[in-house]
Amino acid sequence: AQKITQTQPGMFVQEKEAVTLDCTYDTSDQSYGLFWYKQPSSGEMIFLIYQGSYDEQNATEGRYSLNFQKARKSANLVISASQLGDSAMYFCAMREASLGENDMRFGAGTRLTVKP
Amino acid sequence: DGGITQSPKYLFRKEGQNVTLSCEQNLNHDAMYWYRQDPGQGLRLIYYSQIVNDFQKGDIAEGYSVSREKKESFPLTVTSAQKNPTAFYLCASSIWASGELFFGEGSRLTVL
Repeated sequence: AQKITQTQPGMFVQEKEAVTLDCTYDTSDQSYGLFWYKQPSSGEMIFLIYQGSYDEQNATEGRYSLNFQKARKSANLVISASQLGDSAMYFCAMREASLGENDMRFGAGTRLTVKP
Repeated sequence: DGGITQSPKYLFRKEGQNVTLSCEQNLNHDAMYWYRQDPGQGLRLIYYSQIVNDFQKGDIAEGYSVSREKKESFPLTVTSAQKNPTAFYLCASSIWASGELFFGEGSRLTVL
């Protein structure tokens, strides 16, 4: 079964506006971690933000914030004040404690295009 | 600077040949991973290793082999048994059971 679902294959946003990238996940574990990565055209995966399942506050890192809704199993990434350099693929990922946190599962990704 | 180095960046192979992708890290991380990425898709786990001389199969291990003789190194061999090896391969490492994965820049393998 798909563990991580990203329903938006592609998104467009105007420069300087905010955008939300959706991510839902499936787990029966109480302890897990959620991650977002950015993959520019060069191919390297860049870590953006992390949310632990027990964290009560939504994670924030600069212009990135994670809208964590545990009951809905949702972990959406919000990018504020979009920049042209934000154009990339974005992947949501999860690590589950029951797997010994050995394994990180990724969604299919969302391609974000920032328009000038 | 600390990081993960993958080589080669681009590799071409004829059908029936084995090829080995190199992955070296100087982050002193215990765990290392190999992922495969196909165009327009997410990452799928091939193998991972928690400690030296130990490794575990991921979701798509068939046709691949790995070794972990040193903490710093986790090479991946794509064997002739892998029927569709053309893909982008990413190596990653992490502190054991904690935190995010750190990725290399990837190796793009094309079978001619």
